[in-house]
Amino acid sequence: NAGVTQTPKFRVLKTGQSMTLLCAQDMNHEYMYWYRQDPGMGLRLIHYSVGEGTTAKGEVPDGYNVSRLKKQNFLLGLESAAPSQTSVYFCASSGLAGGKKETQYFGPGTRLLVL
Amino acid sequence: GESVGLHLPTLSVQEGDNSIINCAYSNSASDYFIWYKQESGKGPQFIIDIRSNMDKRQGQRVTVLLNKTVKHLSLQIAATQPGDSAVYFCAENIKGGGADGLTFGKGTHLIIQP
Repeated sequence: NAGVTQTPKFRVLKTGQSMTLLCAQDMNHEYMYWYRQDPGMGLRLIHYSVGEGTTAKGEVPDGYNVSRLKKQNFLLGLESAAPSQTSVYFCASSGLAGGKKETQYFGPGTRLLVL
Repeated sequence: GESVGLHLPTLSVQEGDNSIINCAYSNSASDYFIWYKQESGKGPQFIIDIRSNMDKRQGQRVTVLLNKTVKHLSLQIAATQPGDSAVYFCAENIKGGGADGLTFGKGTHLIIQP
C-alpha cells in the first residue's frame, strides 16, 4: 500500500512551457486534491475532485487545469508556466466514512521551479 | 485573510518537556479540525483530528483540545523528542462545504533543544 504518490519529484521549466503533474492513490479514495505550498505559508487549494470525471476549483485555480479520468489518478496541468507558479505542489486524497469526510492523506510533493 | 491561524511561528522547547502549539480559527461553521506535521522536504503527515462535537481527543503522546467558545485549537505533545522537530499545521474543514479542501494555518516550527 503506497498511499499517495506523485511524479515527478522535481522539475525545472522555462516560462511558457507546459507540464503535467501526476498523482496516484491506492486507497480507493473518492476525493482528491491539489495544493501548492509557498515559503512560510500553509497549503492553498488549487483544484479538487469529488469523484472520477469531476473536478472543481479551489482557492487559487488560475493558470492550472486538472483531470480525473480514473478514480486513482488526479492530474494537474500547467499550460503556460509562469515564475509565480514556482512552488511545491502536494496532492492529497480522502475518503468518506458514514457520510463524514475523512482525513486527507498527502503525497511527498513535487518541487517546481519556473525560470 | 485566512480563517485559520497560529499564534507563534516558532516554538522552542527542551527535549523531554511538553509542547503546546496553538491555533485560532474564525469560521464558526468549521466542524472538523486536523493537525499535521511536516518535516523538511516531505508532505504533511496526519497527527490527530477532532470533530466539533468533541472537546478533547488523545492519541499516542498527543492531545488535541478544541474550545469552540473562543474558536481555539491546541496540540499538546508530551515528552518531546528530537523526532518531533517539524512544522505543525492546523487545518479546518467547513461544515457542509462538500468535499472541498482544508484551510490551513501558516504553521508553527517546533524546535527541540537537546
